[in-house]
Parts: sequence; C-alpha cells; structure tokens
Amino acid sequence: NAGVTQTPKFQVLKTGQSMTLQCAQDMNHNSMYWYRQDPGMGLRLIYYSASEGTTDKGEVPNGYNVSRLNKREFSLRLESAAPSQTSVYFCASSDTRGGFMNTEAFFGQGTRLTVV
Amino acid sequence: AQKITQTQPGMFVQEKEAVTLDCTYDTSDPSYGLFWYKQPSSGEMIFLIYQGSYDQQNATEGRYSLNFQKARKSANLVISASQLGDSAMYFCAIEEDSSASKIIFGSGTRLSIRP
Repeated sequence: NAGVTQTPKFQVLKTGQSMTLQCAQDMNHNSMYWYRQDPGMGLRLIYYSASEGTTDKGEVPNGYNVSRLNKREFSLRLESAAPSQTSVYFCASSDTRGGFMNTEAFFGQGTRLTVV
Repeated sequence: AQKITQTQPGMFVQEKEAVTLDCTYDTSDPSYGLFWYKQPSSGEMIFLIYQGSYDQQNATEGRYSLNFQKARKSANLVISASQLGDSAMYFCAIEEDSSASKIIFGSGTRLSIRP
C-alpha cells in the first residue's frame, strides 16, 4: 500500500536554485495538498487542488507554484529558493465523503528541504 | 482571525491518566468538519478522529473521543488512559463547506506522558 509518495525525502539547495517536489497518490483521491511545517510549528497550507485541473492558493503561497499533472500527481515548484523556505514539506490527499466535504487527509512522509 | 486555535503549546501528563487537548475554531459556515492528527517524533501524520458539524453525537475512536461543543466552537480531544506511546504533537484541523477541500491546521500541542 503506497498511499501518498513524495520525492525526494531530503534536499539541500543553494539560495536562488529551483527545484520541484513530486507527489503521487494511488488512492484515486480528488483532493491534494501541499503543506509546510517549520520546526516546532503547525502545518501551513501552501496550495491545494480540489480536483484534477484546479489549483488554489492556501495560507502561504508566495514563492511557490503547483501543477496538478493528473489525478494522481501534484507537484510543488520553488522557482528561486530562499532560506526562509527551509522547512519540511508534506503532500496529502483526501476524498469527498459523499458531498463537498472531505474525508481525512492521508499524508506522505515529508520532504526535508534546507536552503543555504 | 485564526481558523484553529490550540492554546496549550505543551502538556505533561502521568501515564494512565486521561488528558484533554483544547481546540477552538472560528467559522461562520453551518457545515464543516473537524479533524485531529497525531505526529510522533518520527514525523508522520496519523489521523485520529473526525467530527462533522451536523453529527448528533460526539465522535469516538478507541481511546480517543471528541468533546464537541458547537455553541462554544470547541472540539477538544480526550485521550483516556494515556500511554507512553501517546507522547507526540497533536494537531486540530478544520475544513469548511464554503471552501471545500481546504483543510487548515492549528499550531499544535506537544503532549508528553510521564511514566
């Protein structure tokens, strides 16, 4: 049972470099999310996608872009990494419970990103 | 205003005691869902329990129960008979019907169980 798979698990970037975090889910879920978690803090929503073909900004979208490539995959791109983007990034997916509201979100293992 | 407020940054509880973790929320939606997650030191996010705003009864899942007080906009997590393995961060989260699929988390409570 793969669930939600994120790659890579660890990454070190230099300031100004770009990279894409990959996320794939095999549960046929409609909704996918990207969160960041700074040390000792809660999860903050960066972007989310309620369905294939749609994406919306979350609480902290600046400095990031996303692509919902298909129903399975949702990628997060940092165009010009900054030290303030050092964090653990979580991808998650969820599905509707018979209406608009979602079931619980299933999370990937996280990507630990350091920007130096 | 914060959507989810968890006022207890950290708590210490003796093993086998019950513990209540506080969560208040801010919404004007009549329809919403509330979630609790556990994050152990290993870092994974583990779903614990869900409460829908229209659910008539408080949610329960094994040793976890939710004290849902709709008028007060609170959804406190109760862990009965705490165990050493309950030591972790605990997060409360909300999804509002008007912004379906947008799940917002609180800042969390770090729970430490003393043997």
